[in-house]
Amino acid sequence: GIQVEQSPPDLILQEGANSTLRCNFSDSVNNLQWFHQNPWGQLINLFYIPSGTKQNGRLSATTVATERYSLLYISSSQTTDSGVYFCAEVIMDSNYQLIWGAGTKLIIKP
Amino acid sequence: NAGVTQTPKFQVLKTGQSMTLQCAQDMNHNSMYWYRQDPGMGLRLIYYSASEGTTDKGEVPNGYNVSRLNKREFSLRLESAAPSQTSVYFCASSEGGGRSTDTQYFGPGTRLTVL
Repeated sequence: GIQVEQSPPDLILQEGANSTLRCNFSDSVNNLQWFHQNPWGQLINLFYIPSGTKQNGRLSATTVATERYSLLYISSSQTTDSGVYFCAEVIMDSNYQLIWGAGTKLIIKP
Repeated sequence: NAGVTQTPKFQVLKTGQSMTLQCAQDMNHNSMYWYRQDPGMGLRLIYYSASEGTTDKGEVPNGYNVSRLNKREFSLRLESAAPSQTSVYFCASSEGGGRSTDTQYFGPGTRLTVL
């Protein structure tokens, strides 16, 4: 089955720093999504990005489908960026089942 | 719009007890999902309902049952709780229709502890 690996598992940065989170896939990218889980547990969809680059404010994501990886960039980090960032991919033979990575836990210190 | 709501927020059960987790969405979505999240891990799909009247097993369905009561509501039942079911449970919904661009919207989660 599809394997989704994220790195690094943990990241601690000072406010204002930039960060890059990586997501590797074992299979072809069909529906790649990035999520943020805040420290209170709420999950928010950040990007749907099967290929190319998208930007939303200080966050941007790039997926290189041919090389089976995706990157999430966070610029000028703020303490509110803290939490866990997950990437997830849908199984090709099921349009409903997302396979999730274990996440990158990001802590932004003031 | 409240989005996706879940009740209860917290629950403690003894081994062997049963309970039902409730989920409702007000976005007129067709598809609904139940996930569990264990410490240090991503979410794992328990069951999903692609549309009203249908349910299917996900990655980890054992020990659970679901009911798609109507288009708005999707409940998850633990018939005989076990300590291995201690987890945070998330309900989600999406427009569905099998589109690869389908985005899932999540409830706030239910933190369940089984002693």
